[in-house]
Amino acid sequence: DQQVKQNSPSLSVQEGRISILNCDYTNSMFDYFLWYKKYPAEGPTFLISISSIKDKNEDGRFTVFLNKSAKHLSLHIVPSQPGDSAVYFCAASLYGQNFVFGPGTRLSVLP
Amino acid sequence: EADIYQTPRYLVIGTGKKITLECSQTMGHDKMYWYQQDPGMELHLIHYSYGVNSTEKGDLSSESTVSRIRTEHFPLTLESARPSHTSQYLCASSDPTRGYQETQYFGPGTRLLVL
Repeated sequence: DQQVKQNSPSLSVQEGRISILNCDYTNSMFDYFLWYKKYPAEGPTFLISISSIKDKNEDGRFTVFLNKSAKHLSLHIVPSQPGDSAVYFCAASLYGQNFVFGPGTRLSVLP
Repeated sequence: EADIYQTPRYLVIGTGKKITLECSQTMGHDKMYWYQQDPGMELHLIHYSYGVNSTEKGDLSSESTVSRIRTEHFPLTLESARPSHTSQYLCASSDPTRGYQETQYFGPGTRLLVL
């Protein structure tokens, strides 16, 4: 049973528009959430994170939103660029333990 | 920027061979991890370590073994490779002193193909 779900295996967005990647989790005890970006044949690269005491964290073009009551988080990329094309993994942890990763969403940003 | 290295990046090997995948980090992180990932699938934790001489099995059962003799080094060994071991192996490390805001940093991965 997946504790972290990314229900969209893929997403295509036009360059310059907003990309919204979604993630749902089942364990309400998770207290830290992370997004990673992965290019083919490379390891995941840490992108942005958010603790459970916040509902928003922003870093440049990337913003993560957390809705604890819905056990849902999303990553917004604005504006999307072709170089953003990659697989994005959502991950959750409980006090630095038990990192759980979602299956990933493949984002394609079309020029 | 994290400094974590894995070698080899790609490995094609025959069934029955013994292989060791190397992972090193220069950040002094106590915690290190090995994940296995098949294409289009989530990362599965196969081994982790809290520090020197500490090794634990992860959520996914694996025939591989690990050792942690030095903080910076966390090699993974397969005594007898089989085609079912074909996968991408990702090493990661994290700093446990960050408490709940601990972040894992990944190496570039080793893509293993067993013929």
